[in-house]
Amino acid sequence: EAEVAQSPRYKITEKSQAVAFWCDPISGHATLYWYRQILGQGPELLVQFQDESVVDDSQLPKDRFSAERLKGVDSTLKIQPAELGDSAMYLCASSPEDRGPDTQYFGPGTRLTVL
Amino acid sequence: GNSVTQMEGPVTLSEEAFLTINCTYTATGYPSLFWYVQYPGEGLQLLLKATKADDKGSNKGFEATYRKETTSFHLEKGSVQVSDSAVYFCALSAANAGKSTFGDGTTLTVKP
Repeated sequence: EAEVAQSPRYKITEKSQAVAFWCDPISGHATLYWYRQILGQGPELLVQFQDESVVDDSQLPKDRFSAERLKGVDSTLKIQPAELGDSAMYLCASSPEDRGPDTQYFGPGTRLTVL
Repeated sequence: GNSVTQMEGPVTLSEEAFLTINCTYTATGYPSLFWYVQYPGEGLQLLLKATKADDKGSNKGFEATYRKETTSFHLEKGSVQVSDSAVYFCALSAANAGKSTFGDGTTLTVKP
């Protein structure tokens, strides 16, 4: 069964450093999502792509976060500089449909710890 | 805006006990509703879903019914097992919007 791949699984960094996370969605899925999940809370959407275009980045802290999906396949989420409050699980998900009642397939996540 | 409110946890049950985790939602239109499960250190896995009123989603002994009149989607299981210990998230996906809105999760611990 196809899965969403993410790397690294764990990342520890110091504040003010740059970090990057990678996601490879299920083949053929046009929609890709990045979520942030703070411990004890549900995931919150950071950015949504439809192919290579950003559909929704209203909750992305654009002063320090950036995301790209240049060829409409895999995606990178970057934080620069990292802050203590960025410690969280970063989840990537993909979906075979761009709109409507769909099902998102989640990757295992990257757990970020900022010291 | 859309929101999901889940029963606060943690919930601790003995094996074979009956489980209910309450979930209510606020949304415009007719959203799809989901339950996801997250095991320690892992990402979210879809447990079940329902896409219209009165639909019942079911999987692995869990079930939930989409109740439009009470805007609820409560998760139930008749007899829980130790392996059901996890965090359960209720979520909705509004019509014409692929992204999901999640509740804060309910931690379930099942003791032998």
